[in-house]
Amino acid sequence: SQKIEQNSEALNIQEGKTATLTCNYTNYSPAYLQWYRQDPGRGPVFLLLIRENEKEKRKERLKVTFDTTLKQSLFHITASQPADSATYLCALLLSGGYNKLIFGAGTRLAVHP
Amino acid sequence: NAGVMQNPRHLVRRRGQEARLRCSPMKGHSHVYWYRQLPEEGLKFMVYLQKENIIDESGMPKERFSAEFPKEGPSILRIQQVVRGDSAAYFCASSPETRGQGYTFGSGTRLTVV
Repeated sequence: SQKIEQNSEALNIQEGKTATLTCNYTNYSPAYLQWYRQDPGRGPVFLLLIRENEKEKRKERLKVTFDTTLKQSLFHITASQPADSATYLCALLLSGGYNKLIFGAGTRLAVHP
Repeated sequence: NAGVMQNPRHLVRRRGQEARLRCSPMKGHSHVYWYRQLPEEGLKFMVYLQKENIIDESGMPKERFSAEFPKEGPSILRIQQVVRGDSAAYFCASSPETRGQGYTFGSGTRLTVV
């Protein structure tokens, strides 16, 4: 069956450390993989996307890797801050000219001062 | 440049009533998507629309739920004869024509069925 799996347990880290979140998928062929941030009571906010033929993408303190062989993406936040505390969602845009995004359940990140 | 506008933010309906949720996409965006989110769960795809067309409604229950995106005006998600299990946050998102762009989400409508 098709699945997108993210760490269901919350990730707790110390301020200043690097947070690493994992997204694994099964039986999907994504053309793009996207990461979103969601705060309580708010809609998700787009952060980064990476294409199937890209290995790594960076934006300020964020870095995303994409391994289509392992069917995995890693999302890194360097020099983390308490303001980075939120739920982070992984989403796949499938290949085949189709515009539908499929989301994982998300991982909650808590950055402690 | 307003983002995706959803209204109402909160909606309370009694069982058996109709719920009507509205979404105005971001200016320049021609694709609209509706998602449902239960507490502590991820976003579940419901329906994907373009102007006057339903592209994919595979995530929408066959009964009581319908969606439209008319030529003029906002997209509407309609839930008829609501039941307690329909209580959830409903998010609308929009994207431009160009494939692969990030979605812009609204703040959601929180539906409570009492």
